Amino acid sequence: DGGITQSPKYLFRKEGQNVTLSCEQNLNHDAMYWYRQDPGQGLRLIYYSQIVNDFQKGDIAEGYSVSREKKESFPLTVTSAQKNPTAFYLCASTHSNQPQHFGDGTRLSIL
Amino acid sequence: QKEVEQNSGPLSVPEGAIASLNCTYSDRVSQSFFWYRQYSGKSPELIMSIYSNGDKEDGRFTAQLNKASQYVSLLIRDSQPSDSATYLCAVNRGGADGLTFGKGTHLIIQP
Repeated sequence: DGGITQSPKYLFRKEGQNVTLSCEQNLNHDAMYWYRQDPGQGLRLIYYSQIVNDFQKGDIAEGYSVSREKKESFPLTVTSAQKNPTAFYLCASTHSNQPQHFGDGTRLSIL
Repeated sequence: QKEVEQNSGPLSVPEGAIASLNCTYSDRVSQSFFWYRQYSGKSPELIMSIYSNGDKEDGRFTAQLNKASQYVSLLIRDSQPSDSATYLCAVNRGGADGLTFGKGTHLIIQP
């Protein structure tokens, strides 16, 4: 089945550690996105990529990094510089001007 | 600063009644408008998209857009307990830029 797969579903980060969240899509979508959602809040854009080997910062990019080496994959690294990483992370993709569809999300917590 | 405003609720509606959800946005160049439904602990699910002024109907859902007033709404007819969720309004300037989300309205359908 076509879709967006995020892994892991739950992730725990230790102090000073970098962690990487995976997002893979088999929908042949050009554009991919990472959002962060805090409790009782809407989604905020971290990074997005419209094409392989290119990406742009969103509204809250500090403390995060991404890569887009393949069309299907857009991993997000939460670095130790992100002081408040506990949140629900959502990956989305789209083609042309179509609506974005989301993966099931990764819930990140601090140990 | 792009902003999308929603009443956080909770909005309580009797089963079988019409639920009316509202959203305003600040960026006049916005071109695409979306309503997502999010159940607790789950990722957002697209339920409606609207791109031009007027009404768009899909089953029990009707989206209404008024670009002059910078206002978009969602009506849910014959509300069911399964409609109880948080409804997120999202806006896009066009192209493959990321979405700007409101904080969501928590809807409760009372049996």
